[in-house]
Amino acid sequence: DVKVTQSSRYLVKRTGEKVFLECVQDMDHENMFWYRQDPGLGLRLIYFSYDVKMKEKGDIPEGYSVSREKKERFSLILESASTNQTSMYLCASSPLRFRPAGPPLSTDRQYFGPGTRLTVL
Amino acid sequence: AQSVAQPEDQVNVAEGNPLTVKCTYSVSGNPYLFWYVQYPNRGLQFLLKYITGDNLVKGSYGFEAEFNKSQTSFHLKKPSALVSDSALYFCAVRPYNYGQNFVFGPGTRLSVLP
Repeated sequence: DVKVTQSSRYLVKRTGEKVFLECVQDMDHENMFWYRQDPGLGLRLIYFSYDVKMKEKGDIPEGYSVSREKKERFSLILESASTNQTSMYLCASSPLRFRPAGPPLSTDRQYFGPGTRLTVL
Repeated sequence: AQSVAQPEDQVNVAEGNPLTVKCTYSVSGNPYLFWYVQYPNRGLQFLLKYITGDNLVKGSYGFEAEFNKSQTSFHLKKPSALVSDSALYFCAVRPYNYGQNFVFGPGTRLSVLP
């Protein structure tokens, strides 16, 4: 089974702190994603990466950055945490190499980690 | 803009009764469609997907979903609900020609009452 792990299940930080959220997948997947989940808004894509050292902005990248130094690890960084970044953060991976256009492939799906619930005070 | 709607925030159903969780979408072209489930304090788990072919798709845990192109809907169904089905359900689409980005609906909380 594919396993996606996240470094913390619960995290409490203070406003202005630098926060690192780590995600590791063990199935040699090409693509990795960071989402935040808020009630009534579903999942919103923050950043994704389709290769080591490559990253692409998602729908809500402001206030976040990412790092992918190794294929299996994708880190989300909050440079200066703010209270409006209190949320559930979900990491996901998928096995297919990013393609800028064209139809999805039949095997395309995402595998999710358990999530990190971050509270910024 | 690409969007997914789940018109019901909450669905309540008695154990043993059939359940339906609704999803409609607005995307260009022919999307691929997914359902995921999230149990408390867990990540999302894949239930099923529609790629092409038969409009009725069968997935995990006895769930199925019906794709209706004319109504742009992909409703999730189960003939007989279990209390353990109580969870948050997300519909997602993978738009045609939209790179790798999935678009998720806001989620529907399903409560199955004993």
